[in-house]
Amino acid sequence: DAGVIQSPRHEVTEMGQEVTLRCKPISGHNSLFWYRQTMMRGLELLIYFNNNVPIDDSGMPEDRFSAKMPNASFSTLKIQPSEPRDSAVYFCASSFKGRESSYNEQFFGPGTRLTVL
Amino acid sequence: ILNVEQSPQSLHVQEGDSTNFTCSFPSSNFYALHWYRWETAKSPEALFVMTLNGDEKKKGRISATLNTKEGYSYLYIKGSQPEDSATYLCAFISRGGGFKTIFGAGTRLFVKA
Repeated sequence: DAGVIQSPRHEVTEMGQEVTLRCKPISGHNSLFWYRQTMMRGLELLIYFNNNVPIDDSGMPEDRFSAKMPNASFSTLKIQPSEPRDSAVYFCASSFKGRESSYNEQFFGPGTRLTVL
Repeated sequence: ILNVEQSPQSLHVQEGDSTNFTCSFPSSNFYALHWYRWETAKSPEALFVMTLNGDEKKKGRISATLNTKEGYSYLYIKGSQPEDSATYLCAFISRGGGFKTIFGAGTRLFVKA
């Protein structure tokens, strides 16, 4: 299994530009999570999906951030317009949740390091 | 606001020392607690998933305990090795209004040979 795949691995962009981060979860997993890692705030959950449906987006910092999961094998996190304070490492993770069972451990992708100049 | 705290923030030990650190979380709306190991320049990797009060899990030299009534979990490393150097994260999963995952800030462990 290739694990969780994220692209790009690194992104450098200018303030005001649109940024799209991509994630392919592990096949068979039905939950997908987007996290942001910064020095100041550590690892923050931005949004998570269960069976492609957004369940909790309360961690999304503001309207400039949006996330979609059009199918079970693909999700995007979009920032438009980007700002320097969005610079961080963005992780995608996936896991499997059964109907009656707890969320299993999350498998993290390698992350996308975003720098907004 | 759900608060997950880990202590100590960092820890320096000698090879061969045994060590432990703490994750504190709200005692209400508990659903699960996860421990992750995060090496520099890599991604977090799951160590344990703990769901029941009194749970004890073990993987090699690493073990963890869980007390959901008082809201804490301990992670123990027996006979630390330099390759154990990493950040150890706990994640509290709460129920109620959907499931919320909240990570602690982590304990950064340095093991000196």
